[in-house]
Amino acid sequence: EVQLVESGGGLVKPGDSLTLSCAASGFTFSNAWMSWVRQAPGKGLEWVGRIKSKTDGGTTDYAAPVKDRFTISRDDSKDTLYLQMNSLKTEDTAVYYCSRWFGELLSGYKYYYMDVWGKGTTVTVSS
Amino acid sequence: DIQMTQSPSSLSASVGDRVTITCRASQSIKNYLNWYQQKPGKAPKLLIYAASSLQSGVPSRFSGSGSGTDFTLTVSSLQPEDFATYYCQQSYNPPHNFGQGTKLEIK
Repeated sequence: EVQLVESGGGLVKPGDSLTLSCAASGFTFSNAWMSWVRQAPGKGLEWVGRIKSKTDGGTTDYAAPVKDRFTISRDDSKDTLYLQMNSLKTEDTAVYYCSRWFGELLSGYKYYYMDVWGKGTTVTVSS
Repeated sequence: DIQMTQSPSSLSASVGDRVTITCRASQSIKNYLNWYQQKPGKAPKLLIYAASSLQSGVPSRFSGSGSGTDFTLTVSSLQPEDFATYYCQQSYNPPHNFGQGTKLEIK
């Protein structure tokens, strides 16, 4: 069964750091591009960032609100994705989901979408 | 960055109704557009990718169309389990922003 399980959420103070993990199973993690998406309480979905597979360069992209504070990384030997969050702000309070950013070739073009999601882990930033 | 705008923000409909949700991109994204469904307390679920391709296992009453900047998600005959929030997302260029969501409620 294809599965993603996030962990590491909790209550932290503004300015603190926290690292989330996402354990993958049921697919070849090393070949997968992966993403983080968050959802603040009562709000919509917000794309946080994405990391490519190492064979595709392993590069990352981030949303503007988290760029320079958050870092996405991966350990393919452990089938695990990470989100390191520094200088946390109250507005970072959210449920954080990891997802697989899957690419499908259609008519010669590659289309990406998030087809597998974890259940999410909650991060609360409050003094 | 490409901004995604959905309309309406909320919609009331009855079982059996045909409903359409619109998503507009701030610039052309060709057909790099995905649709997701989210129910309260659950992770999103992929419905449509590449603007009109139905994800495996998704009922055929869901369909997507559009290209360039204007897209639609249509549910041909609403079922009780379709009452949820729907999001569009562009996969053309990072950041891969979502629309603000459309909450579909029972009338």
